Amino acid sequence: EAQVTQNPRYLITVTGKKLTVTCSQNMNHEYMSWYRQDPGLGLRQIYYSMNVEVTDKGDVPEGYKVSRKEKRNFPLILESPSPNQTSLYFCASSPLAGGLSYEQYFGPGTRLTVT
Amino acid sequence: KQEVTQIPAALSVPEGENLVLNCSFTDSAIYNLQWFRQDPGKGLTSLLLIQSSQREQTSGRLNASLDKSSGRSTLYIAASQPGDSATYLCAVRVDAGGTSYGKLTFGQGTILTVHP
Repeated sequence: EAQVTQNPRYLITVTGKKLTVTCSQNMNHEYMSWYRQDPGLGLRQIYYSMNVEVTDKGDVPEGYKVSRKEKRNFPLILESPSPNQTSLYFCASSPLAGGLSYEQYFGPGTRLTVT
Repeated sequence: KQEVTQIPAALSVPEGENLVLNCSFTDSAIYNLQWFRQDPGKGLTSLLLIQSSQREQTSGRLNASLDKSSGRSTLYIAASQPGDSATYLCAVRVDAGGTSYGKLTFGQGTILTVHP
């Protein structure tokens, strides 16, 4: 089944403890992206990657890191999480060619709480 | 900076009604526009994708139109059903060349309730 998977789905952590949220897709998509969703602020893009080893900042990259060493994986790293990073995080992927270029497929989300 | 606005913020209709959701964007230099549906506590499901060169796309009871010059898109839902109840989001991808295509801006969404 074609899908985007995220792990973990739920995470409660403490301020300053480094964490990684994994994202993997099995559709051979070039493009992957991370978003956070907050009440009243909607969905905002954190980082995106057009292909392996190519990453760019979205609208809210502060406090986050990403890497794209393989086409299928795009982990989101919080080096020193803070309470203002408590949010619902979504990973998405899309192809970059053809009529469906940039049609995004979303993962199920990761609910992160930082205390 | 691209800004995307969706009106109305919430909409409640009786089953069977036809309805229109609106999405407007400030920068008309877009690559494409995508409509999504989000159910409570769930991820986003793509409904329709309109490339900048297209005027509309249709899927079943859904029809999305795009007027790039005026910065508007509408999502038309025919014969609404209770199962259509969800939050509907539009998202716009910029067209400024290079890796700018990777940037996506979402509207705040319209919460739709269809009651039996």
